[in-house]
Amino acid sequence: EPEVTQTPSHQVTQMGQEVILRCVPISNHLYFYWYRQILGQKVEFLVSFYNNEISEKSEIFDDQFSVERPDGSNFTLKIRSTKLEDSAMYFCASKGGTTTETQYFGPGTRLLVL
Amino acid sequence: SQELEQSPQSLIVQEGKNLTINCTSSKTLYGLYWYKQKYGEGLIFLMMLQKGGEEKSHEKITAKLDEKKQQSSLHITASQPSHAGIYLCLATQGGSEKLVFGKGMKLTVNP
Repeated sequence: EPEVTQTPSHQVTQMGQEVILRCVPISNHLYFYWYRQILGQKVEFLVSFYNNEISEKSEIFDDQFSVERPDGSNFTLKIRSTKLEDSAMYFCASKGGTTTETQYFGPGTRLLVL
Repeated sequence: SQELEQSPQSLIVQEGKNLTINCTSSKTLYGLYWYKQKYGEGLIFLMMLQKGGEEKSHEKITAKLDEKKQQSSLHITASQPSHAGIYLCLATQGGSEKLVFGKGMKLTVNP
């Protein structure tokens, strides 16, 4: 069964460093998403991406964040200069088409900023 | 903005017992999803409900959406250790792509 994959599973970085989190969505899906979950809190929406552009983003998704689909299979989230408060589990999701379709989630990348 | 409250926050049951998890929305639901989260496995889709009064079942899990589309329940019959995990309700808001999450309900099933 097709699934969303994410790499790495864990990443530790120093404050101020750039990180790139990678996701491989399900191959025929058209909509892509990033969410994050700070320890002990709810999962929060970051950004949605369709047709090679951001379709929606939250207040969290400021200029330090960017997303890209560089090669038609990967979907990446870049954090330019990490802060301590960026430590969280980051989930990628994808879905096929319409608004009501189900989003399929990857296993997450746990990011720790020291 | 829409808020989802789940209850209880956690539950420990003996194998074989039935249980119900609730999810209440601050606004009328456009679409309601139930997912299960296990460590290292991401969020696993269980069911989606859209219509008031809708009920869906899969194996021993039944999800319902009330007529007013503001509350949903997830019922597990004859629970097994494989049912253990965190159950999350998620909702879509009309006109938006993003999903809003509940905080989750941690289920432990003791053999």
